Amino acid sequence: KAGVTQTPRYLIKTRGQQVTLSCSPISGHRSVSWYQQTPGQGLQFLFEYFSETQRNKGNFPGRFSGRQFSNSRSEMNVSTLELGDSALYLCASSLRTSGRTYNEQFFGPGTRLTVL
Amino acid sequence: AQTVTQSQPEMSVQEAETVTLSCTYDTSESDYYLFWYKQPPSRQMILVIRQEAYKQQNATENRFSVNFQKAAKSFSLKISDSQLGDAAMYFCAYTGANSKLTFGKGITLSVRP
Repeated sequence: KAGVTQTPRYLIKTRGQQVTLSCSPISGHRSVSWYQQTPGQGLQFLFEYFSETQRNKGNFPGRFSGRQFSNSRSEMNVSTLELGDSALYLCASSLRTSGRTYNEQFFGPGTRLTVL
Repeated sequence: AQTVTQSQPEMSVQEAETVTLSCTYDTSESDYYLFWYKQPPSRQMILVIRQEAYKQQNATENRFSVNFQKAAKSFSLKISDSQLGDAAMYFCAYTGANSKLTFGKGITLSVRP
């Protein structure tokens, strides 16, 4: 079974531009979560999508948004890029079944975004 | 809000020796999961081991084991017979009712040959 894929792997943008990152989950997984990783702040949760609906959201400004499609693929968008948005963006997919059982999150390789 | 603290930024271990990575957390929830993730230079996050809070028995996965002290809110990872391939950044993480992962700052583990 193919793992989580993220495209592009590397991206260079300039301040003020916007960017869209894509995440394709493992087949059968309906939940996709996004994380930002920076040397200063570490790994921080951005948001989670399940069945095309945002289920959880972290403490990020409205410039960060996302969506999920009917095939569970997810995109995240960052508008009006700032230098501080330079980071590794990781997505993770899981089965996200109902009930209390935790379903393991499988991570993609990440997209390295550099904002100049 | 839940917090995860890894106070040691770096550790080093001799190949074949044992090393313990520390983690503490804070939560008011009674039902939660704790994890250790490994992130090698490739940046691919890999789940090493997980512990369910309601289970008193410490989790074990081959050379990796945890010491889960629920009352003290402590969750340390022991790596036995360290191998060169164990060199990576290790993150302690927590998840509770909202299913989002909260990570510690991570610790860089180096393995000396």
